[in-house]
Amino acid sequence: GESVGLHLPTLSVQEGDNSIINCAYSNSASDYFIWYKQESGKGPQFIIDIRSNMDKRQGQRVTVLLNKTVKHLSLQIAATQPGDSAVYFCAESLDIQGAQKLVFGQGTRLTINP
Amino acid sequence: NAGVTQTPKFQVLKTGQSMTLQCAQDMNHEYMSWYRQDPGMGLRLIHYSVGAGITDQGEVPNGYNVSRSTTEDFPLRLLSAAPSQTSVYFCASSYSKWRASTDTQYFGPGTRLTVL
Repeated sequence: GESVGLHLPTLSVQEGDNSIINCAYSNSASDYFIWYKQESGKGPQFIIDIRSNMDKRQGQRVTVLLNKTVKHLSLQIAATQPGDSAVYFCAESLDIQGAQKLVFGQGTRLTINP
Repeated sequence: NAGVTQTPKFQVLKTGQSMTLQCAQDMNHEYMSWYRQDPGMGLRLIHYSVGAGITDQGEVPNGYNVSRSTTEDFPLRLLSAAPSQTSVYFCASSYSKWRASTDTQYFGPGTRLTVL
């Protein structure tokens, strides 16, 4: 069945260090993946996305890596800051009659220690 | 633009009561959807709409109804609230109903619902 999951539910890193958040997906047909950041009391906020014809995409301080062979997705955050503390979700986009359906993982709580 | 707005922010219901969660967007987005977020389970799709007058079920539709009479509004109705519906509800929208590669979903701030 469809499932998107995360390997680690919590992650703590020192401010300034790099962090890596991992995600596994199970649907081989998924061809679009998104990372969301959710701060306490707020809705998910888009961070970065990647299509299956790519294996790496970079944004500002963030990089997403996609390994289709093992169905693995990761989010790298460089030089972490206190504002990066949040829950991070990966999501895979599935096609429902041409419309987008997002299947979310459980989330990883990232804590940045001063 | 206000983006995606949701009301109320918090709500407490008794078992068996009905209510409507409101969602509106001012970005002229075709696609709107409702998710619920439970601890340890991520977000799950309840219902979605690809345009005015068109709605369909997601993963967990039971106990909920939706309608889309205008492009802007997509209310979610709980017909007879149950404790299992205690959750945080998020509305989301995106420009196109098609899976455009650069089109992402924008989420509202959420409604925290408790059913006693």
